[in-house]
Amino acid sequence: LAKTTQPISMDSYEGQEVNITCSHNNIATNDYITWYQQFPSQGPRFIIQGYKTKVTNEVASLFIPADRKSSTLSLPRVSLSDTAVYYCLVGDGERRNTGKLIFGQGTTLQVKP
Amino acid sequence: EAQVTQNPRYLITVTGKKLTVTCSQNMNHEYMSWYRQDPGLGLRQIYYSMNVEVTDKGDVPEGYKVSRKEKRNFPLILESPSPNQTSLYFCASRPGQVFRGYYEQYFGPGTRLTVT
Repeated sequence: LAKTTQPISMDSYEGQEVNITCSHNNIATNDYITWYQQFPSQGPRFIIQGYKTKVTNEVASLFIPADRKSSTLSLPRVSLSDTAVYYCLVGDGERRNTGKLIFGQGTTLQVKP
Repeated sequence: EAQVTQNPRYLITVTGKKLTVTCSQNMNHEYMSWYRQDPGLGLRQIYYSMNVEVTDKGDVPEGYKVSRKEKRNFPLILESPSPNQTSLYFCASRPGQVFRGYYEQYFGPGTRLTVT
């Protein structure tokens, strides 16, 4: 099964770039890597998704090395409102396309003024 | 507006009293899922459904039941709730067709359940 490992917590200051790395050694060939953001007492919200190399949208960038065993979510110039839990998600490599997904523990990002 | 709704949002109940948490989505999604969230444990999948009448266990299915009689609804049933089921519950949905591993799930607002 494609299990993920992330740092439990990270601190940053407003205006800094934040990089959160996720390890997924058993990722399957067809699995994409997806990141979600969750604010307290709200459901997770999709941020970004990628398969290899680099993906960028209006919110974040996602860097995936050639071996795909890890990925890095990059948040440029964070603000206080980026304080949230960030989850790295990959599909279930053993039962691909069944919908069984595995969330990592999540990384709590605290942005300070 | 495309959304996933859950009811109730808050519920306090007693041990053993059967309850149902409803989940409904208006996006015609085939796939629906239930998660529970507990401090220090992140999000754990309880059950999921790939389509009507098709359900399967997630990582923590014990003590829960689900049904999928209609495409838009996916209720979570606790036949005999216990205090260890006190948690924050989220319903989610996404299109069933998985194209090259694409997973974007839409989550409901959550149901905070307390079992005393």
